[in-house]
Amino acid sequence: SQKIEQNSEALNIQEGKTATLTCNYTNYSPAYLQWYRQDPGRGPVFLLLIRENEKEKRKERLKVTFDTTLKQSLFHITASQPADSATYLCALVGTGNQFYFGTGTSLTVIP
Amino acid sequence: DTGVSQDPRHKITKRGQNVTFRCDPISEHNRLYWYRQTLGQGPEFLTYFQNEAQLEKSRLLSDRFSAERPKGSFSTLEIQRTEQGDSAMYLCASSPRLAGDTDTQYFGPGTRLTVL
Repeated sequence: SQKIEQNSEALNIQEGKTATLTCNYTNYSPAYLQWYRQDPGRGPVFLLLIRENEKEKRKERLKVTFDTTLKQSLFHITASQPADSATYLCALVGTGNQFYFGTGTSLTVIP
Repeated sequence: DTGVSQDPRHKITKRGQNVTFRCDPISEHNRLYWYRQTLGQGPEFLTYFQNEAQLEKSRLLSDRFSAERPKGSFSTLEIQRTEQGDSAMYLCASSPRLAGDTDTQYFGPGTRLTVL
């Protein structure tokens, strides 16, 4: 079965630095990959989508890369702010439209 | 608020009881998903509908779980004979699936179930 791994440890970074989160997967060939943000007690919120034939996507301070050879996606937040503190989830989506979420990475941006 | 809504937000029940949750998607969205999320884990897919048709169910969805979307609008998720292992956050999401487009999900706030 497919396996999705995100940074196993919580990530703490200083305000203004770039946060880099990883999403590695095995036993799967997703059609596309998405990143979501989740705050405590709330549902996830969509951030970015990247297709299998795309290498990189950007949106404001966010950047996502997708390497289907390495089976890895990297999610970057540049000029991080305390308001970016949350759990970030990657989700793989196959042709059958079933979504597989990773366990998430907790990010804390320290002022 | 025109987002996805779920009711109730919290449910406490005793083991063996039946519970039903409701999800109201964004009105023009034709796809609706149910997920379960436990502490420290990502959402786990349960099932999804396109309009009123249930297109896929997870193998993890036991016979005690059933979902409906009778008119292609709101959906209900029922759990019969609840067990303590059913305690989790149940999330609903909807998406405006268009032909040839990718699927982006809009999540509701979830229903937190506690089985005593």
